[in-house]
Amino acid sequence: GENVEQHPSTLSVQEGDSAVIKCTYSDSASNYFPWYKQELGKRPQLIIDIRSNVGEKKDQRIAVTLNKTAKHFSLHITETQPEDSAVYFCAASLNTGNQFYFGTGTSLTVIP
Amino acid sequence: NAGVTQTPKFQVLKTGQSMTLQCAQDMNHEYMSWYRQDPGMGLRLIHYSVGAGITDQGEVPNGYNVSRSTTEDFPLRLLSAAPSQTSVYFCASSYVGGVYEQYFGPGTRLTVT
Repeated sequence: GENVEQHPSTLSVQEGDSAVIKCTYSDSASNYFPWYKQELGKRPQLIIDIRSNVGEKKDQRIAVTLNKTAKHFSLHITETQPEDSAVYFCAASLNTGNQFYFGTGTSLTVIP
Repeated sequence: NAGVTQTPKFQVLKTGQSMTLQCAQDMNHEYMSWYRQDPGMGLRLIHYSVGAGITDQGEVPNGYNVSRSTTEDFPLRLLSAAPSQTSVYFCASSYVGGVYEQYFGPGTRLTVT
């Protein structure tokens, strides 16, 4: 099956700085890559996703990039704010399958 | 829309006891799944279903059973609880096809002593 690796496991940034989280995947057939944000004690919630026919997608301060050749994708958060502090998970799946494979998570702390 | 609901929120079991975690959704999603979340290990898929009467195993199915008799409900049964099953359990649902947002329930925190 698919194997998704996520780095770093923890990340601290000053408010206003950028944060980057990276994931790699093993199955070249994977074609959907969502990112979830999980606040302490809450459920994971989708913040952005990208499909394999697109190289980059932006939504305000959040962007995701995908490099299919290298099999990696990254989450970029600009102008970080304290409310961005959470655990972020990447995932990969195939549109012909029904299993999502999650990374192990990155705990982001934004220091005011 | 209630979205995805789970009961109970917290549960403590003794080793060997059995119980059922309930999950329901009102979005008419064909796909439903159960994950367990352990520190440092992300979300691991236990079982999933692509429609009523159809279930399949995920990465970590041992010790768990599921059934899907209706579109709305997808209960997870622990047959004989073990301390290794102490975890937070999330149910999720989406449209079938692997490229749609999964909606997660609020989670059930289970402790097995």
